[in-house]
Amino acid sequence: EAQVTQNPRYLITVTGKKLTVTCSQNMNHEYMSWYRQDPGLGLRQIYYSMNVEVTDKGDVPEGYKVSRKEKRNFPLILESPSPNQTSLYFCASSLRSSGNTIYFGEGSWLTVV
Amino acid sequence: DAKTTQPPSMDCAEGRAANLPCNHSTISGNEYVYWYRQIHSQGPQYIIHGLKNNETNEMASLIITEDRKSSTLILPHATLRDTAVYYCIVRNVHSGAGSYQLTFGKGTKLSVIP
Repeated sequence: EAQVTQNPRYLITVTGKKLTVTCSQNMNHEYMSWYRQDPGLGLRQIYYSMNVEVTDKGDVPEGYKVSRKEKRNFPLILESPSPNQTSLYFCASSLRSSGNTIYFGEGSWLTVV
Repeated sequence: DAKTTQPPSMDCAEGRAANLPCNHSTISGNEYVYWYRQIHSQGPQYIIHGLKNNETNEMASLIITEDRKSSTLILPHATLRDTAVYYCIVRNVHSGAGSYQLTFGKGTKLSVIP
C-alpha cells in the first residue's frame, strides 16, 4: 500500500531535548516536505526536498533542520525544541513531475513543555 | 498562487449530495484547482483536481465554471464519514519548486447530519 509514514505519532518532550521525527515513503517520490499545523494559522511549510541531498527552506524553517540522505526518508530534526514548536506536524511527498498529487502522512502531535 | 474563498461551514443531510463552492477569481491560466480534505486532524487527503474541464473520480466530481473563477466540489451521496474540513487550493504546477507547496486556507467545515 502506498503511504507516507511518520514516527512518532505522539510525543511529549522537554525544552532543549533534541528530537527527530522520521518520515518515510514507499512510492519512490522525489519530492518530500514538512508542514506544521496550528489553530488559526492553517498548514505552513517548514522545509522541502526536491531530491536526495537537495533541501530548501519553506515558510517557517526557524528551529528546524532536515536531511535527505536517501530517497525514501526525510527526517525533521528539532535540535533544541521550544514550547512554540508544540504543533501537529505533517510529512508529504510527491513525484517530481508537474501536477502530481501530493500525499500526506497521518501527522505527529508534538508537545514541548 | 491565487487565493481562494470558501464558506466557513456547511451542513448536508446524509445520503444527499454535498455541493461545496469555491471562488478563485484571480486564478491564472497555469493554475489548477485542487481539493483536499482533512478529517479530524488526520493528514490532508487528496480528492480531485482539474484545470478547465469538469472532472469525476470515485470520490467526487469537480465542476469548474467556464471563466474558471469558481468551482464546486460535489460529493454525490454524503455519508457521516465525509464530515471534514474541505480545502480548495489553486496551484501553479509549472512554477518549479513552488508548485509543490500547497497553500491551505481555512477551508469549509462540512458536517454531514444523520
